[in-house]
Amino acid sequence: AQRVTQPEKLLSVFKGAPVELKCNYSYSGSPELFWYVQYSRQRLQLLLRHISRESIKGFTADLNKGETSFHLKKPFAQEEDSAMYYCAPFLGFFQKLVFGTGTRLLVSP
Amino acid sequence: DAMVIQNPRYQVTQFGKPVTLSCSQTLNHNVMYWYQQKSSQAPKLLFHYYDKDFNNEADTPDNFQSRRPNTSFCFLDIRSPGLGDAAMYLCATSFPSGSLDTEAFFGQGTRLTVV
Repeated sequence: AQRVTQPEKLLSVFKGAPVELKCNYSYSGSPELFWYVQYSRQRLQLLLRHISRESIKGFTADLNKGETSFHLKKPFAQEEDSAMYYCAPFLGFFQKLVFGTGTRLLVSP
Repeated sequence: DAMVIQNPRYQVTQFGKPVTLSCSQTLNHNVMYWYQQKSSQAPKLLFHYYDKDFNNEADTPDNFQSRRPNTSFCFLDIRSPGLGDAAMYLCATSFPSGSLDTEAFFGQGTRLTVV
């Protein structure tokens, strides 16, 4: 079945700890992959896209086509990183953006 | 400046009474999406438009319809809302695949309550 999986519903870490939010996908073709973030009381917004290979707010994500994974990482978590994170493939053939189940990141002081 | 605007922010409707949610965009994006997001769940795609082409998800109930009269506006119509339709409804827009930038921009959402 075609889907995107984020195995952790909740990830709770202390400030300064490394963070890895997992994402595995099983779509045919080569979807564009994104991470979107939703901070409390704010609209969903783009965090990262795999094409640009950039680091945003200290986060990076590597696309591993062999493992069909697109894990999000940050070496030192900050309290302001607490939010809901969604892995989101953009299925070019269908021209649509779908979302994984989401992981809530909670960073404690 | 908000580029994707949803109205209203909060909508209360009666069980079975038709309701329309609206979305407008100033980005001139080809693709417009409607998502349903229930509490503690991920956004679920209901349907999307690529220009005038309408694409319905297979599991979207017939109770949900959409209109896109022009590039800037898109409407979500719920013909007979049930209690289970209470949710946050998100509108988003993007350029299509193959564009330089396919980032999706989201509205603030409309929270629908059914009484």
